[in-house]
Amino acid sequence: EIVMTQTPLSSPVTLGQPASISCRSSQSLVHSDGNTYLSWLQQRPGQPPRLLIYKISNRFSGVPDRFSGSGAGTDFTLMISRVEAEDVGIYYCMQGTQVPYTFGQGTNLEIK
Amino acid sequence: EVQLVESGGGLVQPGGSLRLSCAASGFTFSTAWMNWVRQGPGKGLVWVSRIKRDGSGAIYADSVKGRFTISRDNAKNTVYLQMNSLRAEDTAIYYCARDWYYSTDNWGRGTLVTVSS
Repeated sequence: EIVMTQTPLSSPVTLGQPASISCRSSQSLVHSDGNTYLSWLQQRPGQPPRLLIYKISNRFSGVPDRFSGSGAGTDFTLMISRVEAEDVGIYYCMQGTQVPYTFGQGTNLEIK
Repeated sequence: EVQLVESGGGLVQPGGSLRLSCAASGFTFSTAWMNWVRQGPGKGLVWVSRIKRDGSGAIYADSVKGRFTISRDNAKNTVYLQMNSLRAEDTAIYYCARDWYYSTDNWGRGTLVTVSS
């Protein structure tokens, strides 16, 4: 199965400042159909996960434009341009290119 | 509004069985692939199983293969997870989630399964 590795595992950030989370896969996430099925999910405390980004860089409906995704192949990044208090939570990358779907370990975003 | 509501969790002894249900509303259920994902206490997300829109193509994580069975009833807008031979390590919140471009867009609030004697 594809192993997803996130860094950092914890990210203390000042409100209004940018934040980034990296995700590396153990093999290329390019699907045979040419797409790359790498997504990012946010889990706020006590809540179920919420989809932020799919297919590397597509923001899901209702997601603020301060969230952006980039990358290719095996290396991907989630960027938050200006962190707000509501962004506190755990962020997961997820690959769907190959079954089983697999998630990164999660990155805990907290406010300094 | 898309809604997914899981039920059927609870306390069960090792070796026991449970059947989880996930009732869907707010979208055309019969056109959606559906997933089950679990989260152990204080732990990360682990994908469990997926089923295609017509009930075909059921696929499982190795850790549950041969013990869990996913199914769906499109007339009832419901997806199920039959869990047999439960182990302590199956203790988790179980979420159902709609498939979206080989990711998961809408999630339920989950149902807690505790396997303990």
